[in-house]
Amino acid sequence: SQKIEQNSEALNIQEGKTATLTCNYTNYSPAYLQWYRQDPGRGPVFLLLIRENEKEKRKERLKVTFDTTLKQSLFHITASQPADSATYLCALGSGGYNKLIFGAGTRLAVHP
Amino acid sequence: DAGVTQSPTHLIKTRGQQVTLRCSPKSGHDTVSWYQQALGQGPQFIFQYYEEEERQRGNFPDRFSGHQFPNYSSELNVNALLLGDSALYLCARGAKNQPQHFGDGTRLSIL
Repeated sequence: SQKIEQNSEALNIQEGKTATLTCNYTNYSPAYLQWYRQDPGRGPVFLLLIRENEKEKRKERLKVTFDTTLKQSLFHITASQPADSATYLCALGSGGYNKLIFGAGTRLAVHP
Repeated sequence: DAGVTQSPTHLIKTRGQQVTLRCSPKSGHDTVSWYQQALGQGPQFIFQYYEEEERQRGNFPDRFSGHQFPNYSSELNVNALLLGDSALYLCARGAKNQPQHFGDGTRLSIL
């Protein structure tokens, strides 16, 4: 069955460092992959979308890579700030309509 | 503002009862999807509506049903509630194969 794995342990980093989050998947061939941020008690907020024919996407301090051979995406936040502390969700989509399959998320804590 | 309003924000029900959750996307002609998010887990896809028809469905029993109205708003109905139905229910709107915009959800607690 389709499986998405994200770092189950919380990631603690120092302010100013680069945070790197991992998303691995099996038994799936996604047409695109999305990253969302979720704060406690709130709905997910879209950050970046990368398609199967793209290797890398950037937006301000955010960068995502997508390796369909390794079946892995890496999500980077450079110059991290305490305000970046949240849970980050990886989601895969296969085209057609908008059904997304989500990972369980990785909690990021950025310490001053 | 994601442009998706969900109501109510919190709800407490008992086992065996029925519940209706509501979603109002700000703009129209997008897909409207429903997800269930248990504590500590990622959202799980329930089903999706487009042009008032259910287009895709996840692995949820028939107790979960929905509807989309001509004004693009949507309802999620759950019958014969079980303790395991306690979760955050999220509604999302979006064009096909584009980013999804989520509401802040309805927190459903079953006693």
